[in-house]
Amino acid sequence: NAGVTQTPKFRILKIGQSMTLQCTQDMNHNYMYWYRQDPGMGLKLIYYSVGAGITDKGEVPNGYNVSRSTTEDFPLRLELAAPSQTSVYFCAISREVPSEQYFGPGTRLTVT
Amino acid sequence: QKEVEQNSGPLSVPEGAIASLNCTYSDRVSQSFFWYRQYSGKSPELIMSIYSNGDKEDGRFTAQLNKASQYVSLLIRDSQPSDSATYLCAVNVGIKSGGGADGLTFGKGTHLIIQP
Repeated sequence: NAGVTQTPKFRILKIGQSMTLQCTQDMNHNYMYWYRQDPGMGLKLIYYSVGAGITDKGEVPNGYNVSRSTTEDFPLRLELAAPSQTSVYFCAISREVPSEQYFGPGTRLTVT
Repeated sequence: QKEVEQNSGPLSVPEGAIASLNCTYSDRVSQSFFWYRQYSGKSPELIMSIYSNGDKEDGRFTAQLNKASQYVSLLIRDSQPSDSATYLCAVNVGIKSGGGADGLTFGKGTHLIIQP
């Protein structure tokens, strides 16, 4: 997965709980992204970052927060988890824009 | 609203034949186009990128782009059972007019089945 790691692989949350999905890269790429994929659907962009200290909203940011304090790490925070956040979450990196994006292995999250 | 449309399939192709996957996109300023392969339960894997009109070949894969028609396609020659997967078309508009970058807009994917 092109030097992108995600933890945890699986997680079950109760409604209202919070958690942080971790994404770490060792490729020294500036651009990092968070997507979610619902069953039978394409991926939708949640947040992205063009470098340390810079983040911006994507298509579906509500209910999520991100930070980017280092080049390597781009954690995604879920506050007050809701069943609608049940999904598979993928982190991706790219060296420049527009350019190929490479995906991590994903985190499968269930909120019940 | 940027949209990327794909036929969801399933598309069934005999082993050894050519599989043809199609994608249309709505945003005329789109600059870069990608095909990802996704096996069930796995993450998307980049197989082709194309940035200018025409054909681009890489092994058994050929990507075709027609910006005037807002159409991109993927051909897989000599299809193998291991090519059975969902193929995602993705489009990027590059740098936003106000500065900064943007992510990829994905289609829902075409499920391809290669019949032995």
